[in-house]
Amino acid sequence: DAEITQSPRHKITETGRQVTLACHQTWNHNNMFWYRQDLGHGLRLIHYSYGVQDTNKGEVSDGYSVSRSNTEDLPLTLESAASSQTSVYFCASSGGGRGYEQYFGPGTRLTVT
Amino acid sequence: GESVGLHLPTLSVQEGDNSIINCAYSNSASDYFIWYKQESGKGPQFIIDIRSNMDKRQGQRVTVLLNKTVKHLSLQIAATQPGDSAVYFCAEINAGGTSYGKLTFGQGTILTVHP
Repeated sequence: DAEITQSPRHKITETGRQVTLACHQTWNHNNMFWYRQDLGHGLRLIHYSYGVQDTNKGEVSDGYSVSRSNTEDLPLTLESAASSQTSVYFCASSGGGRGYEQYFGPGTRLTVT
Repeated sequence: GESVGLHLPTLSVQEGDNSIINCAYSNSASDYFIWYKQESGKGPQFIIDIRSNMDKRQGQRVTVLLNKTVKHLSLQIAATQPGDSAVYFCAEINAGGTSYGKLTFGQGTILTVHP
């Protein structure tokens, strides 16, 4: 069955370190998204991609970057982790004629100490 | 800017009752409105959507109502079950008729179903 996976599921890192969160989908979807979820803020869009080599900034993109070298993967990199980036991160994908129906991964809980 | 919000942050119901979760939105240009369910420790899961030119859509045990006059969206769950306990998010998208577009999520409502 097609799925979307994230790794690691839990990560603790120190301030200033570079961190990369992986997202892999086997839906063959063109669209991929990264969100962060914090209490009181719901889901906020970090970056998104509509296809290979395409990346776009979301509403909270500062301090994050993504790259899309193939259809299946959209890794999220925190260039220099900050405590404010402690959050739960969700990757999602969508495709076909229903681009608004996004399939979410299980999430990565990141703690920056 | 665009925003989607919720009237009630929490809702507690008895098993078997009907539940109604409400949402207000501000972007009149949105093409679709969507409800997602998020269970504890999991990612959000698509429940049902409604196009902006409709006012009602029914699924299995769920109905979504759209009132564009007052920019209000609601999710009705019939015969609520303990497995329905979760956080429910409304979301809107302005895709301009394409399959693209970004979702804007509301804050979420916590639904608790008591046996």
